[in-house]
Parts: sequence; structure tokens; C-alpha cells
Amino acid sequence: DGGITQSPKYLFRKEGQNVTLSCEQNLNHDAMYWYRQDPGQGLRLIYYSQIVNDFQKGDIAEGYSVSREKKESFPLTVTSAQKNPTAFYLCASSIDLIQPQHFGDGTRLSIL
Amino acid sequence: AQKVTQAQTEISVVEKEDVTLDCVYETRDTTYYLFWYKQPPSGELVFLIRRNSFDEQNEISGRYSWNFQKSTSSFNFTITASQVVDSAVYFCALSELYSGAGSYQLTFGKGTKLSVIP
Repeated sequence: DGGITQSPKYLFRKEGQNVTLSCEQNLNHDAMYWYRQDPGQGLRLIYYSQIVNDFQKGDIAEGYSVSREKKESFPLTVTSAQKNPTAFYLCASSIDLIQPQHFGDGTRLSIL
Repeated sequence: AQKVTQAQTEISVVEKEDVTLDCVYETRDTTYYLFWYKQPPSGELVFLIRRNSFDEQNEISGRYSWNFQKSTSSFNFTITASQVVDSAVYFCALSELYSGAGSYQLTFGKGTKLSVIP
């Protein structure tokens, strides 16, 4: 079945450590996105990529980095510069920027 | 100022009641897109509907209906004869594509948590 796979489902980070969240899609979508969701809040856009080898900052990009070397993959690195990384992270993809997005199941990141 | 306001944080209804979820947005673009997504307890967001700014037709899909009114900048969502499976958090979102600058913005509201009680 086509869809988006995020891994791991749960992730723990130690102080000063970088961690990478995986996002893979087999929908042949050009656009991919990363969101952060905090309790009682809506989704906030971290980074988005319109096409392979291109990505743009969203509203809260500080402390995060991404790459888009393959169409299917859009990994997110939460760096040690992100002082409050505990949140639920959602990856999404769409045919283009104005089409509906398909979401993964999310990764819940916590600090040890 | 919020671009997308969902004033109802939580709503509880008894099964079979109708319920309307409000969404008010703010934009200066003439071309924009509005979305509704459902987030069940499992966490994955599910797309429900997209509406572009030039199409003010109301939409009905089964028990779901949407009322888009540009005059009041609102895009409200009604569930008729609610069911327990409708219990979820519902998000309204606004997509603005600035063709001149080539930039893109997608803003989600904070969501409305709907609980349908049997």
C-alpha cells in the first residue's frame, strides 16, 4: 500500500545530542513537509521541500536541519541547538504545495 | 494575530446530535486554499476537504458538510448525526502561495477536540 512511513515511533534524546527522524514515502509525491505539534497546539511547519535537492525553512526552523537527496526520503535532524525538542513530529507529502497532504503516524521525541 | 482561528477548544455532544466546528481565517491573498483535517487518537492526520478561494460552493459528503463564506472569512464544518467514531481533533488550515515571491505558507489552527458521547 502507498503511504508515508515515519520511524522510530518513539525517540529519546540526551542533552547535547543530535537525533534524526526518518520519513519515507512511496506515493511519488514531489513535496514533503515536517511539522511539530505541541499539546493543545496546532501543527507548526519546520521545513518543507517542493522538489528533490531543494528545501525551505518554515516558521520554526531554528535548531533543525533537513536533506532531500531522494524523492522518497526527507529526514529531519533535531540538533543540540534546539533547546526544547520534546514534541510530536509529523511528516507529510503531497503532489505539490497546494494539494492535500498525506501524513505519517508521527514520532514522539522526548528528552532523557 | 492568528491567521487561522478555531475558537472552540473542546466540544462534547451526545451521539446523533449535529455539531458545527468553526474556522475563521485571515489573509490578504486573493488566491488561497482552505483545508480540514481530522486527527484521531492514533495521531495520524487525515485529509477531509480542500476548498480554493474562488469556489464558494458548499460541499456535502455523507454526514459531513462545509460552509465557506468569504464575506465573513469563515470555513465551518458540520457533522450531522454525530457518531462515536467522529471523536477526534479537527484542524482547519490555510495555504497561501505567493506567486510573486515564490514563497509558501501553510498555517494550521489550534484544533477543536470533539468528543461524541454514546
